[in-house]
Amino acid sequence: NAGVMQNPRHLVRRRGQEARLRCSPMKGHSHVYWYRQLPEEGLKFMVYLQKENIIDESGMPKERFSAEFPKEGPSILRIQQVVRGDSAAYFCASSRDTRIFRTEAFFGQGTRLTVV
Amino acid sequence: TQLLEQSPQFLSIQEGENLTVYCNSSSVFSSLQWYRQEPGEGPVLLVTVVTGGEVKKLKRLTFQFGDARKDSSLHITAAQPGDTGLYLCAGSGGSNYKLTFGKGTLLTVNP
Repeated sequence: NAGVMQNPRHLVRRRGQEARLRCSPMKGHSHVYWYRQLPEEGLKFMVYLQKENIIDESGMPKERFSAEFPKEGPSILRIQQVVRGDSAAYFCASSRDTRIFRTEAFFGQGTRLTVV
Repeated sequence: TQLLEQSPQFLSIQEGENLTVYCNSSSVFSSLQWYRQEPGEGPVLLVTVVTGGEVKKLKRLTFQFGDARKDSSLHITAAQPGDTGLYLCAGSGGSNYKLTFGKGTLLTVNP
């Protein structure tokens, strides 16, 4: 896990507020992936980004969720108008290349979002 | 939709015992990964298996990929308290990065 930094580790939001989750990939990694782990569920793919590009957002809810990976700075997963069902652990992973993701993907420690 | 079923869901054993956990699917995967996740942490990759019938060993852990690439098992010999954690399997289909995860086996090894 060393190197993929996520912050904050814990985030509490009231219903209707916005949540911003940050992910800094490992040095040298330009591919970022977000996964969500709901209580009692397995991790589920949300979105895959490269610098300034969303490559695959097929796992992301169509409304209220957005992701970006700017040229400078961390990747951001934004959830607008949060609802209780958004409470989950959100994990970011990074790799140098998708072809080696299955052998060299590194996950961060996650952000645990609680909506009250 | 590809699904991975892991069993057992919970396993509590004494230090020194052996154990096997399973990961099963009706779908074929191009590769399968095993992760261990500790409370409050992210998943840590243990191994990737690619070839049907493949067996990989990592110290006291033995991983096997089924011949048909639909299932896998993880065997731990002489379990230690440090092995405690949530063991996740994850399958890769056509896309390397879009993994299908099982819900995991929560292993507790008591001293």
